[in-house]
Amino acid sequence: QKEVEQNSGPLSVPEGAIASLNCTYSDRGSQSFFWYRQYSGKSPELIMSIYSNGDKEDGRFTAQLNKASQYVSLLIRDSQPSDSATYLCAVNGGRNQFYFGTGTSLTVIP
Amino acid sequence: KAGVTQTPRYLIKTRGQQVTLSCSPISGHRSVSWYQQTPGQGLQFLFEYFSETQRNKGNFPGRFSGRQFSNSRSEMNVSTLELGDSALYLCASSFGAGVQETQYFGPGTRLLVL
Repeated sequence: QKEVEQNSGPLSVPEGAIASLNCTYSDRGSQSFFWYRQYSGKSPELIMSIYSNGDKEDGRFTAQLNKASQYVSLLIRDSQPSDSATYLCAVNGGRNQFYFGTGTSLTVIP
Repeated sequence: KAGVTQTPRYLIKTRGQQVTLSCSPISGHRSVSWYQQTPGQGLQFLFEYFSETQRNKGNFPGRFSGRQFSNSRSEMNVSTLELGDSALYLCASSFGAGVQETQYFGPGTRLLVL
């Protein structure tokens, strides 16, 4: 059973702080990793993808991948109230089958 | 480029009925995956279709079925609805042929079974 684990939270950070979201996965052969943001009542929206070890930055978002530790993280700098949402970690386990974590709920406090 | 579309957006059914949901992928995408999302279970994978063939299947009963048409549009059907089938049903599309595939989600169909 391929698994993706996330802390469910809730995670609360003050506005302007850095939010750190973490994810581990069980399938060592996984090659593609994603972070989706889901607002309440809405569908998941892709915010970051990462395929190689190291950091990938996109605006206020940084994804970090460590394949040896089977660990993916998402950092949100200068957190805004509009970042309050559930963040889903996803892994493409090959043959286009995606595995999702249960999500981490983030609240940014003004 | 238009995104993934799903119809209908909301649906109310009663136990025992059946329902058909539709998904149109992003133009050029040949893979369509279906997921069920409930507050307690998170995103649960139902199945994936690629080039009109079911390529992957999750652990759901046979009441859940799907198909894909030659234009890549997909439908899923749930027969003999149960109260526990109330959920947000999401479809996601991708090109379907590559290691670095990315899935994009539609807005979902919210199904309520009474």
